Amino acid sequence: DIQMTQSPSTLSASVGDRVTITCRASQSISTWLAWYQQKPGKAPKLLIYKASSLESGVPSRFSGSGSGTEFTLTISSLQPDDFATYYCQQYNIYWTFGQGTKVEIK
Amino acid sequence: EVQLVESGGGLVQPGGSLRLSCAASGFTFSNYWMSWVRQAPGKGLEWVANIKQDGSEKYNVDSVKGRFTISRDNAKKSLYLQMNSLRAEDTAVYYCARDKDQLDHWGQGTLVTVSS
Repeated sequence: DIQMTQSPSTLSASVGDRVTITCRASQSISTWLAWYQQKPGKAPKLLIYKASSLESGVPSRFSGSGSGTEFTLTISSLQPDDFATYYCQQYNIYWTFGQGTKVEIK
Repeated sequence: EVQLVESGGGLVQPGGSLRLSCAASGFTFSNYWMSWVRQAPGKGLEWVANIKQDGSEKYNVDSVKGRFTISRDNAKKSLYLQMNSLRAEDTAVYYCARDKDQLDHWGQGTLVTVSS
């Protein structure tokens, strides 16, 4: 099984900050990686797929990069609506999610 | 507009069974793989199972093998999850999602509670 490890687990930041979340795979997954945002009581929302492709309708302040085993999600200027939990997901072999990164207000 | 609406959740005793349904609209259901993903209270996301467009291929996570069965009815535009031999650790919100490898549309979820 492919394990996905996100860091940090919690991140405290302010509006306007540049935020980076890292996701590491236990083996190479090429670029078969997606990122999701989830707010309390709501379903996850797709942000990024194939490591760096922005889903339609997602603001351009979100970007993804990486390949192989290391990936990052970057929010260039954190907005009030961005405080949420973020998950990575690999879809190279079956589907596995990271444990999540909660972005909270500093 | 793509819509996915889950139903069938509820309280069930350990060892019991439940069948979840997901009604799809706003897209050609028969053209897409579909998945079930669950989230235990206060925990992260766990992919449960998925199924090919025509139902000929199905995959699931090891923890539900032999207990859960995914199926679909393309004429009814519906996805199902038959859950047998339920355990306390199956307690979660269950989401259906359109599966393009990435999961691009999700339902609102249905809560399954396994408790005596």
